[in-house]
Amino acid sequence: GAGVSQSPSNKVTEKGKDVELRCDPISGHTALYWYRQSLGQGLEFLIYFQGNSAPDKSGLPSDRFSAERTGGSVSTLTIQRTQQEDSAVYLCASSSARTTDTQYFGPGTRLTVL
Amino acid sequence: GNSVTQMEGPVTLSEEAFLTINCTYTATGYPSLFWYVQYPGEGLQLLLKATKADDKGSNKGFEATYRKETTSFHLEKGSVQVSDSAVYFCALKRGSGDKLTFGTGTRLAVRP
Repeated sequence: GAGVSQSPSNKVTEKGKDVELRCDPISGHTALYWYRQSLGQGLEFLIYFQGNSAPDKSGLPSDRFSAERTGGSVSTLTIQRTQQEDSAVYLCASSSARTTDTQYFGPGTRLTVL
Repeated sequence: GNSVTQMEGPVTLSEEAFLTINCTYTATGYPSLFWYVQYPGEGLQLLLKATKADDKGSNKGFEATYRKETTSFHLEKGSVQVSDSAVYFCALKRGSGDKLTFGTGTRLAVRP
């Protein structure tokens, strides 16, 4: 089957605008994770979903960041009033109940805030 | 809290050289340990993993052994190829549903 997909692959936006990033996990994977990869901070965890609920949101850097997951599948990460420091590659990963140790990553969305 | 420390890069080697990338961790309990690789222009891929002490993970000629006594998970390969040029990330995960905590990554460049 298909792997984790993310869209868009690239997003350029102006400071202050809102953006939405989408993640389609591997079919049947119940766990979904968002991470951010930036030059200064490396790979950072943002939020974890199990089904549609988010038991761990501890990595969201500010209240401008939010995420939801519907139908236990697609997830959307929303960044409001974007700032230049939000520029990064946003990665999504999913894992199944059977192989919870292994997270499979999507190709990422490169966000550039001008 | 949990943390992963890996050696600074870049590491530059000639083809067929021996590779070691050091990784040490700090964690409560008994985490699972991972090496992920990111080839140029591609996404993160799991390279290998080990879930308990003394386990050895291996894949594509790479190996790493989970050493609880030294809290280490060093990545080794006996003979690197140009195609191994990539960024390598060491990571840990405490349990099911837990996030991955990554090291800063080590860039490997292999010269023909």
